[in-house]
Amino acid sequence: AQTVTQSQPEMSVQEAETVTLSCTYDTSESDYYLFWYKQPPSRQMILVIRQEAYKQQNATENRFSVNFQKAAKSFSLKISDSQLGDAAMYFCAYRGNTGANSKLTFGKGITLSVRP
Amino acid sequence: GAGVSQSPRYKVTKRGQDVALRCDPISGHVSLYWYRQALGQGPEFLTYFNYEAQQDKSGLPNDRFSAERPEGSISTLTIQRTEQRDSAMYRCASSLEARTGVTGELFFGEGSRLTVL
Repeated sequence: AQTVTQSQPEMSVQEAETVTLSCTYDTSESDYYLFWYKQPPSRQMILVIRQEAYKQQNATENRFSVNFQKAAKSFSLKISDSQLGDAAMYFCAYRGNTGANSKLTFGKGITLSVRP
Repeated sequence: GAGVSQSPRYKVTKRGQDVALRCDPISGHVSLYWYRQALGQGPEFLTYFNYEAQQDKSGLPNDRFSAERPEGSISTLTIQRTEQRDSAMYRCASSLEARTGVTGELFFGEGSRLTVL
């Protein structure tokens, strides 16, 4: 079974600074998707960024970028120029490409606080 | 619809009662997933459907939990004889899939918050 590990329960960053959130996963598949979801206090689930495993290039969405290391099974999220609105819980998630593995498996999440 | 719609948004019930939670996925989305999320935790998979077929129900905690999607669109998650430990946010998500496999992200509804007294 696939597992997703987020070992840091909490992190804090100064406004306008950069922060990196860590995530590792375990899988025997070669083709899969990785995601970071944001959950603000409203408890919505908002997709931040996605990465297809077959792509070597790291995904980027404005201030958000990932460092995808397939061999190491690592998928960290970097938030640049942090803003107060970035404060939320962030979940790393894995999704296989076929059958039973197509469900999304989440890590336990990390709570990010942003200091003004 | 424009997004995944869930109802009710909030449900308070007494222990032993049955509850039904409804999910209306994004129009045209083939796959529908149910998750449960406790406060401060990540979403936990319960079950999912492709069209009307239940593909995986390995995450349902016990036989008090069931789900259906009879016409391949709206789905209902039913919890019978509720217990206090069933209190959680229940989230539905849908995904548009291709014949060759999954296409990517799940779109989540705002959830149904269940409180069992």
